[in-house]
Amino acid sequence: GQQVMQIPQYQHVQEGEDFTTYCNSSTTLSNIQWYKQRPGGHPVFLIQLVKSGEVKKQKRLTFQFGEAKKNSSLHITATQTTDVGTYFCALGGYNKLIFGAGTRLAVHP
Amino acid sequence: DAGVIQSPRHEVTEMGQEVTLRCKPISGHNSLFWYRQTMMRGLELLIYFNNNVPIDDSGMPEDRFSAKMPNASFSTLKIQPSEPRDSAVYFCASGRRLGNTGELFFGEGSRLTVL
Repeated sequence: GQQVMQIPQYQHVQEGEDFTTYCNSSTTLSNIQWYKQRPGGHPVFLIQLVKSGEVKKQKRLTFQFGEAKKNSSLHITATQTTDVGTYFCALGGYNKLIFGAGTRLAVHP
Repeated sequence: DAGVIQSPRHEVTEMGQEVTLRCKPISGHNSLFWYRQTMMRGLELLIYFNNNVPIDDSGMPEDRFSAKMPNASFSTLKIQPSEPRDSAVYFCASGRRLGNTGELFFGEGSRLTVL
């Protein structure tokens, strides 16, 4: 079945430093989604990528979809304490969504 | 617009008891998903429905788990009998999905503890 690997598992940064999480699939993806889950909260949708090589930005967040549509990344510029949480990539199969293990981000002020 | 509503938010029960978790999806959404989250296994997809019909229940751990969606505005996940290893946060999510696209909206989850 479809497998997704997300790295790193955990990262802690100083406030103001950048952060990147990577998602790699064993198969070519039709699309990929990213979610954020705050501690004690529920996953919240951030974005969906569909096109090969696509790059989308949301303020300090930059999302990329690889040219081969097998990998994706989320980059946060100048992290803030509000960025704390776990970031998940999710692979869109037909009518279902499989989540990666997530990257837990800790930001030290 | 109300989001996905789950109940109960917290449940503590003893091994062997029946547990029923409830979910009201967002009105107009055609897909409903049940996920289980633990530290060890992350977010696992248990079952999903499309237009009230179960499409894939291959993620359901075993026969002790069952899920129903009798109408477009209500779904249940039942565990009978419950075991300590079922302790987790159970999320319901709904979406207006067409094929393999469309975001999911998650409820706040039901935290289950089985003693």
